[in-house]
Amino acid sequence: IAGITQAPTSQILAAGRRMTLRCTQDMRHNAMYWYRQDLGLGLRLIHYSNTAGTTGKGEVPDGYSVSRANTDDFPLTLASAVPSQTSVYFCASSAGPLGNTEAFFGQGTRLTVV
Amino acid sequence: RKEVEQDPGPFNVPEGATVAFNCTYSNSASQSFFWYRQDCRKEPKLLMSVYSSGNEDGRFTAQLNRASQYISLLIRDSKLSDSATYLCVVSRNTGGFKTIFGAGTRLFVKA
Repeated sequence: IAGITQAPTSQILAAGRRMTLRCTQDMRHNAMYWYRQDLGLGLRLIHYSNTAGTTGKGEVPDGYSVSRANTDDFPLTLASAVPSQTSVYFCASSAGPLGNTEAFFGQGTRLTVV
Repeated sequence: RKEVEQDPGPFNVPEGATVAFNCTYSNSASQSFFWYRQDCRKEPKLLMSVYSSGNEDGRFTAQLNRASQYISLLIRDSKLSDSATYLCVVSRNTGGFKTIFGAGTRLFVKA
């Protein structure tokens, strides 16, 4: 069982370029999340989806968009990358509401915007 | 002020030592608490939930103090493999769940 798979694992991106980070889970979890992790700030929620077909904004949504066409996939798109989006991005999923159940994380995508 | 705060450390301890971390939270409506472990350059993984009565899992003990609004993690007989960053997670349900991750406390266990 793979759990959650993210791609790519790392990327160097020119500012102004568009990029989609991919996330796929095989646990049939309803809820999925995108976080960014920056030194000293911890994990901050970008966008979430409680179920296929629905999405919501997290704490730091600006500059990012998501879609949830099916249960398994939850891609994160940076429409026009800026250097402040340099970070480690983690996709996660949970069977129920995150406050009640365990979150399972992908291995992360290290993104550098230059 | 951050809603969830942790001492970033690092805590440097010898093998076999007992070490404790605290995590404070500011919102009294918080109702669910967890500790996650994150190894260097890896993803976070659930270590244990924190129950009101306190709970123990092997060498790890988690406690909740609602009056003072903090949770703690105690590690006994530290192993080299315990070296990691420990993330405090606090959640509340006020018209929808809000879950906040602390920035983490780094632990180095040395031989």
